[in-house]
Amino acid sequence: DTEVTQTPKHLVMGMTNKKSLKCEQHMGHRAMYWYKQKAKKPPELMFVYSYEKLSINESVPSRFSPECPNSSLLNLHLHALQPEDSALYLCASSQEWRFYEQYFGPGTRLTVT
Amino acid sequence: GQQLNQSPQSMFIQEGEDVSMNCTSSSIFNTWLWYKQDPGEGPVLLIALYKAGELTSNGRLTAQFGITRKDSFLNISASIPSDVGIYFCAGLSNTGNQFYFGTGTSLTVIP
Repeated sequence: DTEVTQTPKHLVMGMTNKKSLKCEQHMGHRAMYWYKQKAKKPPELMFVYSYEKLSINESVPSRFSPECPNSSLLNLHLHALQPEDSALYLCASSQEWRFYEQYFGPGTRLTVT
Repeated sequence: GQQLNQSPQSMFIQEGEDVSMNCTSSSIFNTWLWYKQDPGEGPVLLIALYKAGELTSNGRLTAQFGITRKDSFLNISASIPSDVGIYFCAGLSNTGNQFYFGTGTSLTVIP
């Protein structure tokens, strides 16, 4: 099983809402990543977790709050987002913290109204 | 962040034609990667390059790690309709913790 799953596939939320994105993998990977991708742009790294510890935070605003409750699961909690936060949010995982071995999920398409 | 520039930005080609695209950076990278992204999906790794000058093939795809370590090239031979998508290069620094995607090349194959 080389699959990274993300739920929901689509999410529409208001600026005052609180929502969460979920990412799951069952490949025994110990590193997980969140990326943000705007339309027609490349993915931009947001966070890296290695062995359930936050290893990289690319100066992401605090309205995005990641959580890694166990090695298979990665959440991204969203609160007080802005319309410009609308994007495709991609999750990825790798055996160890090695960017060149990442498997990507299909993403969650987020629209902030 | 680091800018990796890909060219061309988009390509429209006939089925059966060969395709060439490249990726350049102002900085040196120790690893170059090429991904393909289909609509509604995450990127999928096509080829990884670990050494300057390295030439690696994966089926109809061939990629090269530039000698200067500041560029990389991807060729697709005998294109087919399922080659349609966005191709991204990506560079990984020698420290292993700086990773950037290129600006992307959108490929359209006309049957």
